[in-house]
Amino acid sequence: GAGVSQSPRYKVTKRGQDVALRCDPISGHVSLYWYRQALGQGPEFLTYFNYEAQQDKSGLPNDRFSAERPEGSISTLTIQRTEQRDSAMYRCASSLGGPLDEQYFGPGTRLTVT
Amino acid sequence: GQQVMQIPQYQHVQEGEDFTTYCNSSTTLSNIQWYKQRPGGHPVFLIQLVKSGEVKKQKRLTFQFGEAKKNSSLHITATQTTDVGTYFCAGIDNFNKFYFGSGTKLNVKP
Repeated sequence: GAGVSQSPRYKVTKRGQDVALRCDPISGHVSLYWYRQALGQGPEFLTYFNYEAQQDKSGLPNDRFSAERPEGSISTLTIQRTEQRDSAMYRCASSLGGPLDEQYFGPGTRLTVT
Repeated sequence: GQQVMQIPQYQHVQEGEDFTTYCNSSTTLSNIQWYKQRPGGHPVFLIQLVKSGEVKKQKRLTFQFGEAKKNSSLHITATQTTDVGTYFCAGIDNFNKFYFGSGTKLNVKP
């Protein structure tokens, strides 16, 4: 089927607003990952789900960031009270099994906080 | 904390020349994965290495995992313009924490 999809592809928001970024993984993929990628840098791990369980959220920068995957499929990354430093490309990836499987990345959501 | 460093940061080569990028971890990794990201694109999986000293080849690409499972390399023989992009290594430590390297950006001049 289709690959990993993310929406919106672009989001411009004003400082202080909340944003919700959506990830739709490949059907049947058990694991889902969120990354943040600054221009010219490698993806920075944020959090990881195994089915609906959030296995690791150690990469979330602070408590304004949260993520959920309530039914073990679609996931939402929420950033509350956005700040300009939150501007980045947010990428989602999924894998069939656990972290030792290859990850399939989505196209990303470019977030700009003005 | 854990860091996965890649060198060089940039590499400009003439088409037909070879290219190598190196990945070094501060701690032992369970595995190493390599990804390629084309300009404006997203990372695409290339290969995974799991065993100490493992070597894998994909056409003109040769991947190695060090004996101590702390470093890895990607070598491209006779580069082509289609090889342009940023190459990332990514490793998982023994606590299942995932780290991407900073990437090596390859530019190939025709």
